Amino acid sequence: AQSVTQPDARVTVSEGASLQLRCKYSYSATPYLFWYVQYPRQGLQLLLKYYSGDPVVQGVNSFEAEFSKSNSSFHLQKASVHWSDSAVYFCALSYGSSGNKLIFGIGTLLSVKP
Amino acid sequence: DMKVTQMPRYLIKRMGENVLLECGQDMSHETMYWYRQDPGLGLQLIYISYDVDSNSEGDIPKGYRVSRKKREHFSLILDSAKTNQTSVYFCASSLLGGGAETLYFGSGTRLTVL
Repeated sequence: AQSVTQPDARVTVSEGASLQLRCKYSYSATPYLFWYVQYPRQGLQLLLKYYSGDPVVQGVNSFEAEFSKSNSSFHLQKASVHWSDSAVYFCALSYGSSGNKLIFGIGTLLSVKP
Repeated sequence: DMKVTQMPRYLIKRMGENVLLECGQDMSHETMYWYRQDPGLGLQLIYISYDVDSNSEGDIPKGYRVSRKKREHFSLILDSAKTNQTSVYFCASSLLGGGAETLYFGSGTRLTVL
């Protein structure tokens, strides 16, 4: 069965530091993978998505993610975080016969210390 | 302006009462979704609607039903609410429902069932 695992429930980094949020997936076919961000009291917003081609995808606000088929991973990265990046980040995988259902990880709460 | 609007933002009900959560979108998207978000579980798909009167169960449909009579509106109904349905409910929409499509989320409805 398909699944998404985010092993880190909470990550704390200092402003200006680099960031990696981990995501591992399990799916028998070629996955569509997403990172969404949820700011306090808001709905989720798309950061970036991968469905083919270059394994490194660029997203909004200088985020990027790297797809690895061999490691079944889709880690999110940012070279230098800002306090406004504090939010919950969700990794998600699209599945279903027409790929229209998303399964989400439990989310990683990112806290950026000023 | 591309927007998914959910009403109400907060709702408190007693066990056994009926609950109606409403969602609207102004993007003429065909596909709409209802998710619930619980701590430690991420987002779980309740129902998906592919268009007017074309609805399909998601992963956790028990205790819920939906109605979509106009493309821009999608309602979630809890008949005789239970305390374990206390959660944050998110509505989302996507253009067609394909695997690589972006989901646009509303800001959520926080439902408390006493």
